[in-house]
Amino acid sequence: DQQVKQNSPSLSVQEGRISILNCDYTNSMFDYFLWYKKYPAEGPTFLISISSIKDKNEDGRFTVFLNKSAKHLSLHIVPSQPGDSAVYFCAASVIGSQGNLIFGKGTKLSVKP
Amino acid sequence: NAGVMQNPRHLVRRRGQEARLRCSPMKGHSHVYWYRQLPEEGLKFMVYLQKENIIDESGMPKERFSAEFPKEGPSILRIQQVVRGDSAAYFCASSPSPPGTGSVAFFGQGTRLTVV
Repeated sequence: DQQVKQNSPSLSVQEGRISILNCDYTNSMFDYFLWYKKYPAEGPTFLISISSIKDKNEDGRFTVFLNKSAKHLSLHIVPSQPGDSAVYFCAASVIGSQGNLIFGKGTKLSVKP
Repeated sequence: NAGVMQNPRHLVRRRGQEARLRCSPMKGHSHVYWYRQLPEEGLKFMVYLQKENIIDESGMPKERFSAEFPKEGPSILRIQQVVRGDSAAYFCASSPSPPGTGSVAFFGQGTRLTVV
C-alpha cells in the first residue's frame, strides 16, 4: 500500500508556462513534505519543503501548496524552463518520530522549448 | 564541503557474489539512509542508521542484506549471494538530524548494481 502517491507518471509542458505536479498521501500523521528533482543517472536533489503548519511555501520559481484536509500537495513551477525537465519525487515524514522519508513513484516532467 | 559520496558508481556482480556499496555522508551528518530504486519505480526506503546503530530496517529484505555505519568510516550496504532481482540503483542520503525534526536529507549520486 502506497502512503504517498503521484498518480501522473508524466507531464509535458511548454516552456514559459506553469507546471503543476501533484501528490496525495494517505497517512494523516505525515506533517513534513519535501519535493526532490532527479536527473537520469544522478541522485535526487532537494527542491523545497513544507511543514503542516503552513499551506504554502515559495522559493523563486517553485511554490509548494499543502491542503491538509484533502491530504494533497502540489508543486508549481513558474515559468517552466527546459532545464526543469526531470523526474520529480514527493516525499513525506512525521515530525517528532524516528520515521523515515516515504517517497512517491515520481512524475517525469518534460518542458518543451 | 563535499556532498554525500557513494562508491562505486557502477558495480557489476555475477549471481552468487557479494556486493558492497559504500556511502560517506556529508560532513557533520550522522544520520544515513539507504534507498533502492528499481526500474520504473520510485525510491524505496531500506534502512536508517545513526553512528553504530540501526534505527529502522523495516525496508530491508530479511535475508542477504545488511547495513552498518561504524564509528569510523563510511556506511556499508552489503548484499550477499546477489540475484538478478537485486539489480537496481541504490541511493544513500544523509541528514544532520533525524527526519522527525524536519531536516532535509541530501542524496548521493547512487550506485548502479547490475547482476549478470
